[in-house]
Amino acid sequence: QLQLQESGPRLVKPSETLSLTCTVSGGSIGSSTYYWGWIRQPPGKGLEWIGSIYYSGSTYYNPSLKSRVTISVDTSKNQFSLKVNSVTAADTAMYYCARHQGYCGGGSCYGANFDYWGQGTLVTVSS
Amino acid sequence: DIQMTQSPSSVSASVGDRVTITCRASQGISSWLAWYQQKPGKAPKLLIHAASSLQSGVPSRFSGSGSGTDFTLTISSLQPEDLATYYCQQANSFPLTFGGGTKVEI
Repeated sequence: QLQLQESGPRLVKPSETLSLTCTVSGGSIGSSTYYWGWIRQPPGKGLEWIGSIYYSGSTYYNPSLKSRVTISVDTSKNQFSLKVNSVTAADTAMYYCARHQGYCGGGSCYGANFDYWGQGTLVTVSS
Repeated sequence: DIQMTQSPSSVSASVGDRVTITCRASQGISSWLAWYQQKPGKAPKLLIHAASSLQSGVPSRFSGSGSGTDFTLTISSLQPEDLATYYCQQANSFPLTFGGGTKVEI
């Protein structure tokens, strides 16, 4: 059974960098079938896709966050990571990592359904 | 970006009722739509993909329909464990976007 687990600091100071890692177990992150993504959810609000990465390192970002976000993959550790720099209180949220399939390229990603999710980790931005 | 609009934002129903949630995309997405269920304090769970395909293990009382811009999630006979917020998501193009959610109360 595939499992994803987020890890990283739960408290980040304003203007600093938020860093999270997702460790995948029960399957290989190097599979050519899947993409690996980050989604966040501010307290009491809806879901926002942050970005996704393919095992080859190809990345896709939400334009609303692209200037501050970096997603990377380490296939040797079966992990992928998220960095968000220059954080503010508006970045306080539950952060989820998740897997999706899809036929992606040129701005399209047909069938990008998130079928496995981590339990999420609440990151608070506060001094 | 493709905007996803869900309605209603909340619905209160009784056990055994039929519940319908709608989702509208700001542009055509063929059948590239997913529905998720999120219970309080939990991660979302994929219910339906490709607008009408039931994810493995999901009870058959859940069904989805639609194509193009208008989609529907139906719970044929509401159960107590269906208390949750439901989200649609377009799975057509980047950036992937979600609807605002529909809270189902029993």
